[in-house]
Amino acid sequence: EVQLLESGGGLVQPGGSLRLSCAASGFTFSTYDMSWVRQAPGKGLDWVSGISSSGGSTYYADSVKGRFTISRDNSKNMVYLQMNSLRAEDTAVYYCAKDASSGSYPDYWGQGTLVTVSS
Amino acid sequence: QLVLTQSPSASASLGASVKLTCTLSSGHSSYAIAWHQRQPEKGPRYLIKINSDGSHSRGDGIPDRFSGSSSGADRYLTISSLQSEDEADYYCQTWGTGTYWVFGGGTKLTVL
Repeated sequence: EVQLLESGGGLVQPGGSLRLSCAASGFTFSTYDMSWVRQAPGKGLDWVSGISSSGGSTYYADSVKGRFTISRDNSKNMVYLQMNSLRAEDTAVYYCAKDASSGSYPDYWGQGTLVTVSS
Repeated sequence: QLVLTQSPSASASLGASVKLTCTLSSGHSSYAIAWHQRQPEKGPRYLIKINSDGSHSRGDGIPDRFSGSSSGADRYLTISSLQSEDEADYYCQTWGTGTYWVFGGGTKLTVL
């Protein structure tokens, strides 16, 4: 059974940093691209960042480019999202998602972790 | 620009069928899309992928009450024999060269 479990969310002040983690199991992690998607309160789903199976290629939405960094550790079946210079508009539930095949569509999602940016 | 358009809301009665529409932007009518369901207080769930020819493939464990079809730039999700747990937000999503994941605005389905 595929499972994705996010952690690391919480309350942070504007300008602060947070690191999200996603623990994956139930599939051959090292052969799949992974992504982070967020949902702000009352809004729809919004892709944030993606990483190739090897970790050699990373992709970012314009809204987070230069502030967020995605990475992965295939030896631990983990994917991370380092979020710096956080803004109020980054407040959202962040979901980890497994890519069905190289940037196509997510076929499995996590339960999400809430990030609140507020003073 | 690759954009997906969805109606904000839809409703149908318990046991009935409902057809949700997702429209691809001009010039992108050949794109495949995927539908995802987000029930209250839960993470999203992948339902079905729909190709431009209407062929589709459901996610693991997704019942055949969920089906897909296509016409031109429109991609449809039909849910038959509606159940109370089908009350959720439904998002269509696509992808393309130079474009990672693009989501529609979502349709809130109410089961009456």
